Amino acid sequence: GIQVEQSPPDLILQEGANSTLRCNFSDSVNNLQWFHQNPWGQLINLFYIPSGTKQNGRLSATTVATERYSLLYISSSQTTDSGVYFCAAVMNRDDKIIFGKGTRLHILP
Amino acid sequence: DGGITQSPKYLFRKEGQNVTLSCEQNLNHDAMYWYRQDPGQGLRLIYYSQIVNDFQKGDIAEGYSVSREKKESFPLTVTSAQKNPTAFYLCASSVGSAEWDYEQYFGPGTRLTVT
Repeated sequence: GIQVEQSPPDLILQEGANSTLRCNFSDSVNNLQWFHQNPWGQLINLFYIPSGTKQNGRLSATTVATERYSLLYISSSQTTDSGVYFCAAVMNRDDKIIFGKGTRLHILP
Repeated sequence: DGGITQSPKYLFRKEGQNVTLSCEQNLNHDAMYWYRQDPGQGLRLIYYSQIVNDFQKGDIAEGYSVSREKKESFPLTVTSAQKNPTAFYLCASSVGSAEWDYEQYFGPGTRLTVT
């Protein structure tokens, strides 16, 4: 079936480090979002990026729709960046929205 | 401030009881969604509604029911038929009414525990 896979599943970094999170999708998409889920469960929108590159402060994202992946970059990590990062894709074929299982990021002080 | 509110934040129920989770939005969004999240997992779609008085089943609709009588409100009822109701429930909304091709915004969630 159609899949959205995120890697790595877990990532532990020292404060100040950079990281790259990946989201692969098995079919063409017409919508892709990145979210950060904080320790209280709130999902915070990071990027709405069906294609191309966007930047917001220390975060940036790139989606290469033709190659079916998206990347989330976090530079100069801070402890407040800890949490789970999800990507969610809406597939062209059936407009079905599918979430990946997330990357759990832990930034050490 | 515009946003999505869910209440209550924590909810405890005895097995066999129906329970209704509230979701309200003042963003003037047409589409609303309910998701379920289990520990260590991603989100799974329960129901969605693209316009008032209309809604469709998502991937895991069994044991749940919804209504959409007002644009701002999309309550979810977890019925006694839901076999594993304990979970974190998230409500979302988006501008779009006809397609999925719109950015989703989430409420703070309700943690339901059924014993």
